[in-house]
Amino acid sequence: GAGVSQTPSNKVTEKGKYVELRCDPISGHTALYWYRQSLGQGPEFLIYFQGTGAADDSGLPNDRFFAVRPEGSVSTLKIQRTERGDSAVYLCASSLFANTEAFFGQGTRLTVV
Amino acid sequence: GIQVEQSPPDLILQEGANSTLRCNFSDSVNNLQWFHQNPWGQLINLFYIPSGTKQNGRLSATTVATERYSLLYISSSQTTDSGVYFCAVIRPGGYNKLIFGAGTRLAVHP
Repeated sequence: GAGVSQTPSNKVTEKGKYVELRCDPISGHTALYWYRQSLGQGPEFLIYFQGTGAADDSGLPNDRFFAVRPEGSVSTLKIQRTERGDSAVYLCASSLFANTEAFFGQGTRLTVV
Repeated sequence: GIQVEQSPPDLILQEGANSTLRCNFSDSVNNLQWFHQNPWGQLINLFYIPSGTKQNGRLSATTVATERYSLLYISSSQTTDSGVYFCAVIRPGGYNKLIFGAGTRLAVHP
Protein backbone atom coordinates (compact mmCIF):
# COMPACT_ATOMS: atom_id res chain seq x y z
CA GLY A 1 0.00 0.00 0.00
CA ALA A 2 0.92 3.65 -0.19
CA GLY A 3 1.51 4.05 3.51
CA VAL A 4 1.54 2.18 6.80
CA SER A 5 -1.97 1.05 7.67
CA GLN A 6 -3.18 0.19 11.17
CA THR A 7 -6.43 -1.41 12.20
CA PRO A 8 -8.59 -0.79 14.06
CA SER A 9 -8.33 2.98 14.42
CA ASN A 10 -9.99 2.79 17.81
CA LYS A 11 -10.50 -0.08 20.20
CA VAL A 12 -12.39 -0.03 23.48
CA THR A 13 -12.06 -3.14 25.61
CA GLU A 14 -12.86 -4.22 29.12
CA LYS A 15 -10.17 -4.76 31.70
CA GLY A 16 -8.89 -8.32 31.55
CA LYS A 17 -9.76 -8.91 27.89
CA TYR A 18 -7.39 -9.87 25.08
CA VAL A 19 -6.79 -7.52 22.13
CA GLU A 20 -4.98 -7.71 18.81
CA LEU A 21 -3.75 -4.69 16.89
CA ARG A 22 -2.76 -5.03 13.25
CA CYS A 23 -0.13 -3.24 11.18
CA ASP A 24 0.32 -3.37 7.40
CA PRO A 25 3.72 -1.85 6.56
CA ILE A 26 4.73 -0.17 3.34
CA SER A 27 5.23 -2.83 0.70
CA GLY A 28 8.84 -3.99 0.52
CA HIS A 29 9.87 -2.56 3.88
CA THR A 30 11.90 -5.10 5.79
CA ALA A 31 11.94 -3.34 9.16
CA LEU A 32 8.83 -2.88 11.29
CA TYR A 33 8.48 -1.16 14.66
CA TRP A 34 5.81 -0.81 17.31
CA TYR A 35 5.65 2.23 19.58
CA ARG A 36 3.28 3.35 22.31
CA GLN A 37 2.32 6.96 22.92
CA SER A 38 0.67 8.19 26.10
CA LEU A 39 -1.08 11.54 26.28
CA GLY A 40 1.32 14.47 26.17
CA GLN A 41 4.41 12.34 25.61
CA GLY A 42 6.58 11.24 22.73
CA PRO A 43 6.26 7.72 21.32
CA GLU A 44 8.13 5.00 23.21
CA PHE A 45 9.69 2.00 21.53
CA LEU A 46 8.16 -1.43 22.10
CA ILE A 47 9.58 -3.89 19.56
CA TYR A 48 11.50 -4.03 16.28
CA PHE A 49 11.25 -6.71 13.59
CA GLN A 50 13.78 -7.32 10.87
CA GLY A 51 11.97 -9.63 8.46
CA THR A 52 10.09 -12.24 10.44
CA GLY A 53 12.18 -12.11 13.57
CA ALA A 54 11.94 -9.82 16.58
CA ALA A 55 15.42 -8.33 16.62
CA ASP A 56 14.77 -6.16 19.69
CA ASP A 57 11.85 -6.56 22.08
CA SER A 58 13.43 -4.65 24.94
CA GLY A 59 10.61 -2.10 25.04
CA LEU A 60 7.79 -4.53 25.74
CA PRO A 61 6.63 -3.61 29.26
CA ASN A 62 5.85 -7.15 30.46
CA ASP A 63 4.92 -10.63 29.31
CA ARG A 64 1.32 -9.66 28.64
CA PHE A 65 2.57 -8.02 25.45
CA PHE A 66 3.60 -10.06 22.44
CA ALA A 67 4.02 -9.34 18.73
CA VAL A 68 4.43 -11.46 15.63
CA ARG A 69 5.29 -10.96 11.99
CA PRO A 70 5.04 -14.48 10.57
CA GLU A 71 5.57 -13.72 6.87
CA GLY A 72 7.76 -10.66 7.17
CA SER A 73 5.00 -8.24 6.22
CA VAL A 74 1.89 -7.77 8.37
CA SER A 75 2.45 -7.63 12.11
CA THR A 76 0.08 -8.15 15.02
CA LEU A 77 0.59 -6.76 18.51
CA LYS A 78 -1.18 -8.88 21.09
CA ILE A 79 -2.05 -7.78 24.61
CA GLN A 80 -3.36 -10.28 27.14
CA ARG A 81 -5.32 -9.50 30.31
CA THR A 82 -5.51 -5.81 29.46
CA GLU A 83 -5.17 -3.25 32.24
CA ARG A 84 -6.35 0.36 32.38
CA GLY A 85 -2.71 1.45 32.24
CA ASP A 86 -2.43 -0.09 28.77
CA SER A 87 -4.65 2.68 27.41
CA ALA A 88 -2.61 4.62 24.86
CA VAL A 89 -2.12 5.12 21.15
CA TYR A 90 -0.19 2.25 19.61
CA LEU A 91 1.84 3.30 16.60
CA CYS A 92 3.42 1.13 13.95
CA ALA A 93 6.25 2.22 11.67
CA SER A 94 8.20 0.66 8.85
CA SER A 95 11.42 1.40 7.02
CA LEU A 96 13.08 -0.04 3.94
CA PHE A 97 15.97 -1.34 5.99
CA ALA A 98 16.99 -0.90 9.60
CA ASN A 99 18.24 2.58 10.43
CA THR A 100 16.71 4.20 7.34
CA GLU A 101 13.85 6.69 7.28
CA ALA A 102 10.86 5.38 9.20
CA PHE A 103 7.23 6.05 8.27
CA PHE A 104 4.38 5.81 10.76
CA GLY A 105 0.81 4.67 10.54
CA GLN A 106 -2.08 6.66 11.97
CA GLY A 107 -2.13 4.58 15.15
CA THR A 108 -4.66 2.56 17.10
CA ARG A 109 -6.17 4.30 20.10
CA LEU A 110 -6.70 1.63 22.76
CA THR A 111 -8.96 2.39 25.70
CA VAL A 112 -9.28 -0.13 28.51
CA VAL A 113 -12.34 0.47 30.69
CA GLY B 1 20.59 5.55 27.32
CA ILE B 2 20.64 8.52 25.01
CA GLN B 3 18.72 11.62 26.11
CA VAL B 4 16.81 13.76 23.61
CA GLU B 5 15.76 17.20 24.77
CA GLN B 6 13.57 19.54 22.78
CA SER B 7 13.02 23.22 23.33
CA PRO B 8 10.91 25.17 23.80
CA PRO B 9 8.24 22.81 25.15
CA ASP B 10 5.48 25.19 24.05
CA LEU B 11 5.38 27.94 21.45
CA ILE B 12 2.64 30.34 20.43
CA LEU B 13 3.02 32.28 17.19
CA GLN B 14 1.06 34.77 15.18
CA GLU B 15 0.49 33.68 11.61
CA GLY B 16 3.38 34.82 9.44
CA ALA B 17 6.01 34.66 12.17
CA ASN B 18 9.22 32.63 11.99
CA SER B 19 10.45 30.19 14.61
CA THR B 20 13.31 27.87 15.49
CA LEU B 21 12.87 24.59 17.34
CA ARG B 22 15.86 22.89 18.90
CA CYS B 23 16.75 19.26 19.58
CA ASN B 24 19.76 18.36 21.73
CA PHE B 25 20.96 14.79 22.10
CA SER B 26 23.43 13.37 24.57
CA ASP B 27 25.34 10.89 22.40
CA SER B 28 26.38 10.22 18.82
CA VAL B 29 23.56 9.36 16.44
CA ASN B 30 23.25 7.53 13.13
CA ASN B 31 19.83 8.79 12.26
CA LEU B 32 17.77 11.85 13.12
CA GLN B 33 14.24 12.54 11.98
CA TRP B 34 11.85 15.45 12.52
CA PHE B 35 8.13 14.73 12.60
CA HIS B 36 4.99 16.83 12.80
CA GLN B 37 2.13 15.24 14.69
CA ASN B 38 -1.08 16.76 13.48
CA PRO B 39 -4.21 17.20 15.63
CA TRP B 40 -5.46 13.79 14.44
CA GLY B 41 -2.36 12.11 15.81
CA GLN B 42 -0.68 11.26 12.51
CA LEU B 43 3.12 11.53 12.56
CA ILE B 44 4.18 13.21 9.35
CA ASN B 45 7.78 12.95 8.18
CA LEU B 46 9.45 16.32 7.80
CA PHE B 47 13.15 15.55 7.49
CA TYR B 48 15.52 12.62 7.65
CA ILE B 49 18.68 14.51 8.53
CA PRO B 50 21.54 12.74 10.36
CA SER B 51 23.79 15.65 9.35
CA GLY B 52 23.83 18.75 7.18
CA THR B 53 21.04 21.04 6.04
CA LYS B 54 17.87 20.36 4.10
CA GLN B 55 15.03 22.58 2.96
CA ASN B 56 11.47 21.79 1.99
CA GLY B 57 9.33 24.81 1.22
CA ARG B 58 8.90 26.96 4.33
CA LEU B 59 10.68 24.41 6.49
CA SER B 60 14.36 23.73 6.80
CA ALA B 61 16.50 21.72 9.18
CA THR B 62 20.14 21.63 10.18
CA THR B 63 21.90 18.91 12.14
CA VAL B 64 25.36 19.47 13.58
CA ALA B 65 26.17 15.94 14.62
CA THR B 66 29.56 16.79 16.14
CA GLU B 67 27.87 19.25 18.51
CA ARG B 68 24.88 17.00 19.11
CA TYR B 69 22.01 19.23 18.10
CA SER B 70 19.51 19.80 15.33
CA LEU B 71 17.39 22.82 14.50
CA LEU B 72 14.07 23.02 12.69
CA TYR B 73 13.19 26.36 11.12
CA ILE B 74 9.64 27.31 10.27
CA SER B 75 9.22 30.46 8.22
CA SER B 76 6.03 32.41 7.53
CA SER B 77 4.07 30.12 9.85
CA GLN B 78 0.50 29.15 9.01
CA THR B 79 -2.32 27.89 11.22
CA THR B 80 -1.89 24.46 9.62
CA ASP B 81 1.60 24.30 11.14
CA SER B 82 0.00 23.86 14.57
CA GLY B 83 0.62 20.58 16.32
CA VAL B 84 3.51 18.86 18.05
CA TYR B 85 6.98 18.64 16.52
CA PHE B 86 9.10 15.67 17.50
CA CYS B 87 12.77 15.01 17.04
CA ALA B 88 13.84 11.35 17.13
CA VAL B 89 17.28 9.76 16.94
CA ILE B 90 18.88 6.34 16.54
CA ARG B 91 22.16 5.52 18.26
CA PRO B 92 24.97 3.79 16.40
CA GLY B 93 26.06 0.31 17.38
CA GLY B 94 23.17 -1.82 16.19
CA TYR B 95 20.39 -0.01 18.02
CA ASN B 96 17.60 0.48 15.52
CA LYS B 97 14.92 2.08 17.65
CA LEU B 98 14.01 5.73 17.35
CA ILE B 99 14.29 7.58 20.66
CA PHE B 100 11.90 10.52 20.75
CA GLY B 101 12.10 13.81 22.55
CA ALA B 102 9.09 15.11 24.46
CA GLY B 103 8.16 17.40 21.58
CA THR B 104 7.48 21.10 21.02
CA ARG B 105 3.80 21.99 21.04
CA LEU B 106 3.19 24.77 18.50
CA ALA B 107 0.06 26.86 18.21
CA VAL B 108 -0.21 29.32 15.33
CA HIS B 109 -2.99 31.88 15.66
CA PRO B 110 -4.52 33.82 12.74
